[in-house]
Amino acid sequence: GAGVSQSPSNKVTEKGKDVELRCDPISGHTALYWYRQSLGQGLEFLIYFQGNSAPDKSGLPSDRFSAERTGGSVSTLTIQRTQQEDSAVYLCASRWDTNTEAFFGQGTRLTVV
Amino acid sequence: DQQVKQNSPSLSVQEGRISILNCDYTNSMFDYFLWYKKYPAEGPTFLISISSIKDKNEDGRFTVFLNKSAKHLSLHIVPSQPGDSAVYFCAATFSGNTGKLIFGQGTTLQVKP
Repeated sequence: GAGVSQSPSNKVTEKGKDVELRCDPISGHTALYWYRQSLGQGLEFLIYFQGNSAPDKSGLPSDRFSAERTGGSVSTLTIQRTQQEDSAVYLCASRWDTNTEAFFGQGTRLTVV
Repeated sequence: DQQVKQNSPSLSVQEGRISILNCDYTNSMFDYFLWYKKYPAEGPTFLISISSIKDKNEDGRFTVFLNKSAKHLSLHIVPSQPGDSAVYFCAATFSGNTGKLIFGQGTTLQVKP
């Protein structure tokens, strides 16, 4: 596609439920990142996929968070047993190479009530 | 451990004047740096980047300066325009396969007409 696409754009869920957030990167981009931005905070790194290498999961805040990237393209971020502190905007970005800019999607605003 | 730091949460300048946004980093292995702009309810958009082999990169009204010995970079916007009002993030990464992209906390720029 023309840009990075994220869905849904907004998600309201009840505490304790599981959610899945989807990211469609730009075609051909080998690197894919997930970040989150809580209210008034910066961009917090969550996870990074690069080609067929094992993902860098060092930013995932707890074992309730997981992500996968199927076929080197679409990625899904899953949050199990959501908590109110998970409320944030979740941003996905993709990149062609490590010395190029990353392109961001519009984000998914997650609200846990 | 905040590897990329933007110590000024906000900056206010008059239209037509210069805006200078600062960023410090701690990891001397970073070799590629980027600046992004973010409007509310939108994903970050790429502005300008610089490789560690350079100390300056210019694109129109935007210039990024890199001081490797001080582990410091800055973004200059001149002349500043009201439409530049946004949150600005600096980011740093390593070239090569470990292309993890680390962002600062952001600086909110307000350009007053």
